Amino acid sequence: DAEITQSPRHKITETGRQVTLACHQTWNHNNMFWYRQDLGHGLRLIHYSYGVQDTNKGEVSDGYSVSRSNTEDLPLTLESAASSQTSVYFCASSESGQWTSGNPEDDTQYFGPGTRLTVL
Amino acid sequence: DAKTTQPNSMESNEEEPVHLPCNHSTISGTDYIHWYRQLPSQGPEYVIHGLTSNVNNRMASLAIAEDRKSSTLILHRATLRDAAVYYCILRDYYGGSQGNLIFGKGTKLSVKP
Repeated sequence: DAEITQSPRHKITETGRQVTLACHQTWNHNNMFWYRQDLGHGLRLIHYSYGVQDTNKGEVSDGYSVSRSNTEDLPLTLESAASSQTSVYFCASSESGQWTSGNPEDDTQYFGPGTRLTVL
Repeated sequence: DAKTTQPNSMESNEEEPVHLPCNHSTISGTDYIHWYRQLPSQGPEYVIHGLTSNVNNRMASLAIAEDRKSSTLILHRATLRDAAVYYCILRDYYGGSQGNLIFGKGTKLSVKP
């Protein structure tokens, strides 16, 4: 069965270190997204991609970067981890491309299990 | 995309129906209404969506007001596994709109045995 996975599931790092969170999907979806979730803020969009070589900034992109070299993966990199980046990170994917097909089913997002990151 | 308003929390008893309301008074004619839910320690999952007519699937029903300014997600028989945060989200598909799902704070549903 197709799925979306994230690794690691838990990560503890120190302030200033570079950290990369992996996201891999086998749905062959065009769109991939990274969100962070903090108490009191709900889910906030960090970066997203509509296809290979395409990346876009979301609501809270400062301090984060992504690259899309293939359809299946969208790694999220924290260039220099800060305590404010302690959070739970979710990756998601959906079928539709940069412009929605007009079919809501194509826009359904499938989420990974999350990565809990602690920056000390 | 237009904004939605949901109660912060609701309680239900197991095996009873649950009606989760969502207000979206500024909804446009081309906005679809989507519901997602997030079980504890998991990522969100799709529940249902609709445009104008009421919708049913294996998970829930979606009742949409005639003026589309509000909608209600209906869980016909709540189970303990339905305890989650439920998000009501509007998405515009007219003309192939570009954009992403915007999650609010949702409604936290507690289910008592």
